[in-house]
Amino acid sequence: NAGVTQTPKFQVLKTGQSMTLQCAQDMNHNSMYWYRQDPGMGLRLIYYSASEGTTDKGEVPNGYNVSRLNKREFSLRLESAAPSQTSVYFCASSGGQFDNQPQHFGDGTRLSIL
Amino acid sequence: DAKTTQPNSMESNEEEPVHLPCNHSTISGTDYIHWYRQLPSQGPEYVIHGLTSNVNNRMASLAIAEDRKSSTLILHRATLRDAAVYYCILDISGYAGTASKLTFGTGTRLQVTL
Repeated sequence: NAGVTQTPKFQVLKTGQSMTLQCAQDMNHNSMYWYRQDPGMGLRLIYYSASEGTTDKGEVPNGYNVSRLNKREFSLRLESAAPSQTSVYFCASSGGQFDNQPQHFGDGTRLSIL
Repeated sequence: DAKTTQPNSMESNEEEPVHLPCNHSTISGTDYIHWYRQLPSQGPEYVIHGLTSNVNNRMASLAIAEDRKSSTLILHRATLRDAAVYYCILDISGYAGTASKLTFGTGTRLQVTL
């Protein structure tokens, strides 16, 4: 099973460039999430989507936009990249008929902004 | 937000049991206790979760104190593949049909030696 797939795996950008990180899940989950992880830190939530058609801000949303394209796909866009956005970005999904289902994570996108 | 406290690092010998502690003194009655781990260069991986009773699965056991202010993740026989950062997280919003917003701390880095 593919689970959560993120593309690309690596990317280098110049300051001011724009980019969209793609995420897709094949587990029929309702909820999807974008996190960032800086060196030596835990993950921080950027945006999440509780269900298709809804998105909400997380802890660190500034500088990012998201689109829940359909139930499977949730993209993260950097409109004007800044060096402070150099990080590893993880997408996750969760859902199901029972409470408190765990989140399933992708392998991450390693993004460097020069 | 309810927070957790974990030791920064722990060491274990291979084939021995490992007890990873977590304090969550401000936990509320509906908060689930989740454990995830992150292997080097990978996304977090769900390990186990529980509410009040001790839980077992193929990966680990979760022992929850009677007052729920602390919990312990137990790896019964540590292997080199268990070397990772382990995160103890309280899920405050994970009802069915809603998103679960996890707050990651810096976790406990587990080192396993031969």
